[in-house]
Amino acid sequence: DVKVTQSSRYLVKRTGEKVFLECVQDMDHENMFWYRQDPGLGLRLIYFSYDVKMKEKGDIPEGYSVSREKKERFSLILESASTNQTSMYLCASALDGLYEQYFGPGTRLTVT
Amino acid sequence: EDKVVQSPLSLVVHEGDTVTLNCSYEVTNFRSLLWYKQEKKAPTFLFMLTSSGIEKKSGRLSSILDKKELFSILNITATQTGDSAIYLCAVERRTSYDKVIFGPGTSLSVIP
Repeated sequence: DVKVTQSSRYLVKRTGEKVFLECVQDMDHENMFWYRQDPGLGLRLIYFSYDVKMKEKGDIPEGYSVSREKKERFSLILESASTNQTSMYLCASALDGLYEQYFGPGTRLTVT
Repeated sequence: EDKVVQSPLSLVVHEGDTVTLNCSYEVTNFRSLLWYKQEKKAPTFLFMLTSSGIEKKSGRLSSILDKKELFSILNITATQTGDSAIYLCAVERRTSYDKVIFGPGTSLSVIP
């Protein structure tokens, strides 16, 4: 059974803290993605990775960085969290192409 | 600027009703249109549409794409309370590393 897991379901951080969101997939997928979801804005792509150590900016990369040291793990990093980064963060993976993405359960991050 | 628009943004119906959800898009290098259902946290894939006029069906759900008028509809017949969810429309672009743009979603509530 396909599985994408995220390290935390709920996270509360203070402004200025460094935040790590971890995503792990067990399907040997090449492509992995980080999205944020905000009411009225839908899902927006932050970064994606098509191979180990490879990454590409999505539509809203500002304030974020990513790391993919191993195929199964894709980390999203907020170098200095700000209140406008309070959101639901969703990780996804896909074997190839983008249409059959498998999503993780999401991490609801609150920055105070 | 590429965009995906969904309407209505929210909808409340009674069990047994039929609903039609709309998705229109303005996207360069269109590759496919995708529908997802999001319950609780993570979206799950419903349909991928690439050709105009060909209806895709899965049980009580069906969807069709009009590439000339740049829209798609998702129909749900004989709605049940379990259909309550956010329905996301997304468009995949044919770029060097295909990117997906999501609409804001339609929140459907089915009441007994």
